[in-house]
Amino acid sequence: GNSVTQMEGPVTLSEEAFLTINCTYTATGYPSLFWYVQYPGEGLQLLLKATKADDKGSNKGFEATYRKETTSFHLEKGSVQVSDSAVYFCALAGNNRKLIWGLGTSLAVNP
Amino acid sequence: EAGVAQSPRYKIIEKRQSVAFWCNPISGHATLYWYQQILGQGPKLLIQFQNNGVVDDSQLPKDRFSAERLKGVDSTLKIQPAKLEDSAVYLCASSSSAGTGKNTGELFFGEGSRLTVL
Repeated sequence: GNSVTQMEGPVTLSEEAFLTINCTYTATGYPSLFWYVQYPGEGLQLLLKATKADDKGSNKGFEATYRKETTSFHLEKGSVQVSDSAVYFCALAGNNRKLIWGLGTSLAVNP
Repeated sequence: EAGVAQSPRYKIIEKRQSVAFWCNPISGHATLYWYQQILGQGPKLLIQFQNNGVVDDSQLPKDRFSAERLKGVDSTLKIQPAKLEDSAVYLCASSSSAGTGKNTGELFFGEGSRLTVL
């Protein structure tokens, strides 16, 4: 069945550092891929998405590219800020449109 | 546009007691989801409604959990009797595209209801 694996946290970075959070998936067909973010005390919100191979999703300085050859959707940001401290979830939606979630990666950015 | 509203934000109960959570989705969203998120884990889908019909409740512990969505708008999730392992955040989400054939997966979440069972 479909599954998502993302790197374990917590990840701790200094402000302005480069961020990568790895996400790989297993799926039949052509899933859509997502990154959701959960800021402290808030609900989950969609950060970015990609619906087909080679698409790049981007938002708030974050980017992720749908790589079918490596079944990956790694999240990157060139220069993180303290306000980026949150939990990041990778997810996929298969042909049945059901969302499959990763376990989440906690990011802490220190000033 | 108003977001997904949930209440209460926090609830503390003793085991074997009952609790109910309420959700009001974004206006016009046909699909409503209840998720359970245990600390350190990803969200687990409990039940999905399309309008007022159940689409998926395969992971809902039906011996103690129940949910309804009367009139296809608001929804309530009830736990009776609660167990210690039910301590979690219960997330409500809604979307407008499920059932249309468009595979977007974009869900809009409420802030969640944090349940502590003692």
